[in-house]
Amino acid sequence: DTEVTQTPKHLVMGMTNKKSLKCEQHMGHRAMYWYKQKAKKPPELMFVYSYEKLSINESVPSRFSPECPNSSLLNLHLHALQPEDSALYLCASSQVDMGLSNSPLHFGNGTRLTVT
Amino acid sequence: DAKTTQPPSMDCAEGRAANLPCNHSTISGNEYVYWYRQIHSQGPQYIIHGLKNNETNEMASLIITEDRKSSTLILPHATLRDTAVYYCIPKNNAGNMLTFGGGTRLMVKP
Repeated sequence: DTEVTQTPKHLVMGMTNKKSLKCEQHMGHRAMYWYKQKAKKPPELMFVYSYEKLSINESVPSRFSPECPNSSLLNLHLHALQPEDSALYLCASSQVDMGLSNSPLHFGNGTRLTVT
Repeated sequence: DAKTTQPPSMDCAEGRAANLPCNHSTISGNEYVYWYRQIHSQGPQYIIHGLKNNETNEMASLIITEDRKSSTLILPHATLRDTAVYYCIPKNNAGNMLTFGGGTRLMVKP
């Protein structure tokens, strides 16, 4: 079991759909992260939020829109995705932004997204 | 952050020690070495990290060479549930990113 909860576990969407991925943690962590993982590849960083503010966007296309409503929640809004965006989307959190400390990341088990 | 070299795959017999090497010859003085693993269909799991001293916790031991150019993660008594991809990741406090390399796919066999 993981202390970072992601929903849904699986999602199938068409290229014209709008959907959202959700991530929740109740460990009091103030930094949250989105990673994308293609099959048989390592995870790649997409976004970092620190104290509910976006601190890093790794040149992610605008069809991915992150949102951090509060320190426990992180959303990823999806719109007009392409089939090549199919991947496992991982959320993580840490006590503080890893750039400021050595606190490790805690990952959820991800949402497996398929774009048709 | 430093680049890493890990063997793409390794086998280990159940009950034996698994020794996973990582080369990070370009590591800088303020970079810690983190180890994570990813079991199939799960998110990455933090194992251990260290700077220059050897470290041990309930999951594993981390041995870092004196010159800090390489490290070894040791699972003292591997079980079938330790089958996973193991990632060695140098990181310093100045960077926000945890950058995953290729990792080592460890297969623990009965």
